Amino acid sequence: DGGITQSPKYLFRKEGQNVTLSCEQNLNHDAMYWYRQDPGQGLRLIYYSQIVNDFQKGDIAEGYSVSREKKESFPLTVTSAQKNPTAFYLCASSIGDREHQPQHFGDGTRLSIL
Amino acid sequence: DAKTTQPPSMDCAEGRAANLPCNHSTISGNEYVYWYRQIHSQGPQYIIHGLKNNETNEMASLIITEDRKSSTLILPHATLRDTAVYYCIVRVRDNTGKLIFGQGTTLQVKP
Repeated sequence: DGGITQSPKYLFRKEGQNVTLSCEQNLNHDAMYWYRQDPGQGLRLIYYSQIVNDFQKGDIAEGYSVSREKKESFPLTVTSAQKNPTAFYLCASSIGDREHQPQHFGDGTRLSIL
Repeated sequence: DAKTTQPPSMDCAEGRAANLPCNHSTISGNEYVYWYRQIHSQGPQYIIHGLKNNETNEMASLIITEDRKSSTLILPHATLRDTAVYYCIVRVRDNTGKLIFGQGTTLQVKP
């Protein structure tokens, strides 16, 4: 089945540690996105990429980094500089070449601090 | 950015139609309306989107008023599995393509 796969589903980070969240899609979508969701709140955009080898900061990029070396993959690294990383992280993708095409989401990774 | 307003919660009897309203009075002429839903601890699921005409797919129908200032999502035969938070979104008109999720409507389908 085509879709977006995020792994792991749950992740724990120690103080001062970097962790990487995986996002893979087999939908042949050009655009990919990372959002963060905190309890009872909406989604906030961390980074987005509209094409391979290019990405842009979203509204809350500080303490995060990404790469887009392959069309199907958009991993997110939560660095030790992110002081409040506990959240639900969502990856999404869309066709990208038409502004109105919807984004489709993975099932998320829940990150907690030990 | 066009803001959306939704009731915080609604109930619906199983097997009946669920009609979820959304106001977006500041929507611009070329902005689309999207509906997503989110079940606890899962990613948002895309339901449907439209510009000015009514739309229907296998999940739901979207009715947009002629002045485009409001819309209604219709789940024709609600089941218990349709219990979720439903979000009405007008897409941000910038080059990020980001979606802004408000508080949404918590739909509780009851047996």
